[in-house]
Amino acid sequence: NAGVMQNPRHLVRRRGQEARLRCSPMKGHSHVYWYRQLPEEGLKFMVYLQKENIIDESGMPKERFSAEFPKEGPSILRIQQVVRGDSAAYFCASSPGLDTDTQYFGPGTRLTVL
Amino acid sequence: AQKVTQAQTEISVVEKEDVTLDCVYETRDTTYYLFWYKQPPSGELVFLIRRNSFDEQNEISGRYSWNFQKSTSSFNFTITASQVVDSAVYFCALSERGDSSYKLIFGSGTRLLVRP
Repeated sequence: NAGVMQNPRHLVRRRGQEARLRCSPMKGHSHVYWYRQLPEEGLKFMVYLQKENIIDESGMPKERFSAEFPKEGPSILRIQQVVRGDSAAYFCASSPGLDTDTQYFGPGTRLTVL
Repeated sequence: AQKVTQAQTEISVVEKEDVTLDCVYETRDTTYYLFWYKQPPSGELVFLIRRNSFDEQNEISGRYSWNFQKSTSSFNFTITASQVVDSAVYFCALSERGDSSYKLIFGSGTRLLVRP
């Protein structure tokens, strides 16, 4: 049973470029969360999605960041016009639903902005 | 507001020593979940345990044990007879039932170094 998958594992972008991070949840999981971990810090919640719906985006920066979880395919976290401060590890987690609160994490995508 | 505090930034022990990682939380919710995750040097996050607010029974899993005390809002994690492979950053996290998204609120982590 495959775990949460994220790709790419490492992503390098120059300032002003776009970054697309992908997350495939565990089989049977319909809830996806994105978290960001800045260097030497804990994880901070960004957004919570169910299929085709954004449920809570209270942790998302107001500009340049967007997320989606289409009916088919992985969840995508998109960062437009990246800046150096976006350099971080981005983790995706999935859970089966609200009755089961354990979130299982993917290996993360390390984004480096040059 | 909800908050998780891990006051120990870094702990260094010698192999076979016991070590306790502290976690103190704040919440106004009466129903909540507490978690511990391990982040080894490879970077992934590994789920260790989930405990709900109605279950104060301590739990033991091999060399790992957890002490949940609602009276002091603490959920401490003890590793007995530590091993080098236990070296990692350990995160405590809180999820509230009253939060419709059940997002995790993480502490800042405790880096554990186990020396041979």
